[in-house]
Amino acid sequence: NAGVTQTPKFQVLKTGQSMTLQCAQDMNHNSMYWYRQDPGMGLRLIYYSASEGTTDKGEVPNGYNVSRLNKREFSLRLESAAPSQTSVYFCASSERRGGNQPQHFGDGTRLSIL
Amino acid sequence: LAKTTQPISMDSYEGQEVNITCSHNNIATNDYITWYQQFPSQGPRFIIQGYKTKVTNEVASLFIPADRKSSTLSLPRVSLSDTAVYYCLAPRAGNNRKLIWGLGTSLGVNP
Repeated sequence: NAGVTQTPKFQVLKTGQSMTLQCAQDMNHNSMYWYRQDPGMGLRLIYYSASEGTTDKGEVPNGYNVSRLNKREFSLRLESAAPSQTSVYFCASSERRGGNQPQHFGDGTRLSIL
Repeated sequence: LAKTTQPISMDSYEGQEVNITCSHNNIATNDYITWYQQFPSQGPRFIIQGYKTKVTNEVASLFIPADRKSSTLSLPRVSLSDTAVYYCLAPRAGNNRKLIWGLGTSLGVNP
């Protein structure tokens, strides 16, 4: 039982390149989330998917797109990477959407954009 | 945008009890307070959650006063492996009930 798995763990991109971050959960959770974590700031929500087939913007969606491929998988795409998107990206899942639902996190993807 | 307030950092010694207090003046009426722990190079991990009074599990205790404007995470007899950042989350009152992640409390445990 792996929980939430993110790939890749590390990536370096050049400005303007595109990339898809992958996330999969094996807990049969309905809701999934993408966050970014930057020094001096808390986790910020990029996009979330309350249930299979739905996606919604979070606090900082600009420059990103998401796909809820099926119940297990939720990917995050950077179409044209910018240095400001250098960050650690975390995927999380919960049984349902809502502040009372504990979220389960992956170990992150460390992304550097030169 | 209201969010929780916690000390930026705390230091302790092995074997001591550590209490981290969080204030959340604008918590939504029906929502819970949730605490997470994050080690370097890992994602946050759920520790404990409560609505009021006291909740205890194998890792920690959570104390919530009647007015629910604050909560205290208590870690009994900490060890070096408890060195981590601890986050308190409480949905904000209002239609949005948004969760805001603050900077957390960086706990250092010394031998």
